[in-house]
Amino acid sequence: QSALTQPASVSGSPGQSITISCTGSSSDVGTYKFVSWYQQHPGKAPKLMIYEVSKRPSGVSDRFSGSKSGSTASLTISGLQAEDEADYYCCSYANSITFVFGGGTKLTVL
Amino acid sequence: QVQLQESGPGLVKPSQTLSLTCIVSSGSISSGDYYWSWIRQPPGKGLEWLGYIHSSGSTYYNPSLKSRVTISLDTSKNLFSLNLSSVTAADTAIYYCARDRSGYGHLDYWGQGTLVTVSS
Repeated sequence: QSALTQPASVSGSPGQSITISCTGSSSDVGTYKFVSWYQQHPGKAPKLMIYEVSKRPSGVSDRFSGSKSGSTASLTISGLQAEDEADYYCCSYANSITFVFGGGTKLTVL
Repeated sequence: QVQLQESGPGLVKPSQTLSLTCIVSSGSISSGDYYWSWIRQPPGKGLEWLGYIHSSGSTYYNPSLKSRVTISLDTSKNLFSLNLSSVTAADTAIYYCARDRSGYGHLDYWGQGTLVTVSS
């Protein structure tokens, strides 16, 4: 199972919106509605930000939103804040009960 | 509030078996419809799902590691364990335990992670 494809880095200024893409295949993102997104600050464990493509866990800011079109999922962060600077990983359920992660995207807040 | 804490050796020799445990506080691991998961992250790299065990004891593993991975529950101690056999330097990573709320990648609680280095 190949890793999902994410851009290595994205950047934006405070207050702006950014979108991180996550491209898979018909074996994962393209077939299943089980895409999740995780935020990871340096030296910390990942934190769930989005599950089942677009659902937000309790306590996660509504500035974070998720969507999917075909085999590409996306995470959008609006009203960018300094604290959003982190690595972001997508994850998808895949055939044969397994999960595949993206390579991660480093978000820089300028 | 659910808390998870990994523990185990920080150094393992090549060809040996890596063994880690994850103690779960608050709630019984054998109740509820949860999947107790292991994920790893090589230093400076991305995440890899290793497998999970349902609260009923059913196990599911990453096909790329299936022959080397075993996950088990110890309900008497409220913990679950990871065994990874025949390790090499490529297995050097931070190992995280986590709870999957649905079995579909809804990893809502994570341990802090533990670094395991494979070296002679």
